[in-house]
Amino acid sequence: GENVEQHPSTLSVQEGDSAVIKCTYSDSASNYFPWYKQELGKGPQLIIDIRSNVGEKKDQRIAVTLNKTAKHFSLHITETQPEDSAVYFCAASLPGSARQLTFGSGTQLTVLP
Amino acid sequence: NAGVTQTPKFQVLKTGQSMTLQCAQDMNHEYMSWYRQDPGMGLRLIHYSVGAGITDQGEVPNGYNVSRSTTEDFPLRLLSAAPSQTSVYFCASKLRGQGTTDTQYFGPGTRLTVL
Repeated sequence: GENVEQHPSTLSVQEGDSAVIKCTYSDSASNYFPWYKQELGKGPQLIIDIRSNVGEKKDQRIAVTLNKTAKHFSLHITETQPEDSAVYFCAASLPGSARQLTFGSGTQLTVLP
Repeated sequence: NAGVTQTPKFQVLKTGQSMTLQCAQDMNHEYMSWYRQDPGMGLRLIHYSVGAGITDQGEVPNGYNVSRSTTEDFPLRLLSAAPSQTSVYFCASKLRGQGTTDTQYFGPGTRLTVL
């Protein structure tokens, strides 16, 4: 089955700096890669996703890049703010209507004021 | 819409007890799933359902049962709780299909402790 590895497990940045979280996946057939943000005591919430036919996607301060050849994808957050502090999860999914997600182990991002 | 709701929010059980975690969604989503979240391990799929009357196992199904009698509800049953089932449980739902329907919506979670 699919395996997703995520690094780093913790990341601290100064407010205004950029943050990058990286993930690798094992199954080259995976074609959907979402990123979720989980705030303390809440369920994960989708913040951005990318499909394998696209190399990069951007939404305001958040961007995701995908390298299919190397089987890795990354989340980029620019101009970080204290409210960006949360746990971020990457995931990968094989084709199919059920879209079962395989998650990475998570990154605790702390934005220092 | 209330989205995905889960009850209870917290639960403490003794080893060997049984209980049902409730999950409901009001978005008419065909696909529903249960995940458990443990420190350093992300979220792991327990069971999922692609529609009423259809369920299947995920990555870590042992010790859990599910059923799907309606589109709205997808309860998770622990038949004989074990300390290894101490975790935070999340229910999620999505529309069936691919493309713009890929977004999974998560509930707020149930924190379960088994003593």
